[in-house]
Amino acid sequence: QVQLRESGPGLVKPSETLSLTCIVSGDSISSYYWSWIRQPAGKGLEWIGRLYPSGNTNYNPSLESRVTMSLDTANNQFSLRLRSVTAADTALYYCARYYYDSRGYPDFYFDLWGRGTLVTVSS
Amino acid sequence: EVVLTQSPGTLSLSPGESATLSCRASQSIISNYLAWYQQKPGQPPRLLIYGASSRATGIPDRFSGSGSARDFSLTISRLEPEDFAVYSCQQYGYTPHTFGQGTKLEIK
Repeated sequence: QVQLRESGPGLVKPSETLSLTCIVSGDSISSYYWSWIRQPAGKGLEWIGRLYPSGNTNYNPSLESRVTMSLDTANNQFSLRLRSVTAADTALYYCARYYYDSRGYPDFYFDLWGRGTLVTVSS
Repeated sequence: EVVLTQSPGTLSLSPGESATLSCRASQSIISNYLAWYQQKPGQPPRLLIYGASSRATGIPDRFSGSGSARDFSLTISRLEPEDFAVYSCQQYGYTPHTFGQGTKLEIK
């Protein structure tokens, strides 16, 4: 059974860098596309970006200048770095897996999510 | 980016009734690449519907999706107590992928 678990500091100071890791168990991260999504309290979900099995990325243009996502195949995990954070970046951060069909082709909705980790930006 | 507007914001119904939730897109969504998720407090979203109308594995048939182009709906018939939650739509035809702001389905 594949499981995702987000890991990282729950408190980050303004102007610093938010760093999170998604630890994947039960399958190889090299087989799938992955994503980070966040949800401010009481608000809707916001897509942060997408990681290809190759390590290539797509980012949300609203965050692109500050975000980096990367694969760590040796440890079967992937990461998110968000620079120059402000209070507006306070949110519940999820990692998620894109669906793959029986032929091995991706489809870009999410069939597996981590439980999420709350990150608060505050001094 | 494609903006998804969900309505109503909150829907109050009783168990046994039917619910219809709406998701309207700011532009036509290619190939009906629209998904619906259910989210309960303290839990991550759960995939219900993809491709606008296909049920995900293990989802009861009282959940159904419909629509095309800009207008999509999620219908839940014969509401069960466990169906009261927040429902969000997501379009995946374009990047950035976007979500609606959610509809809260609450017990009347």
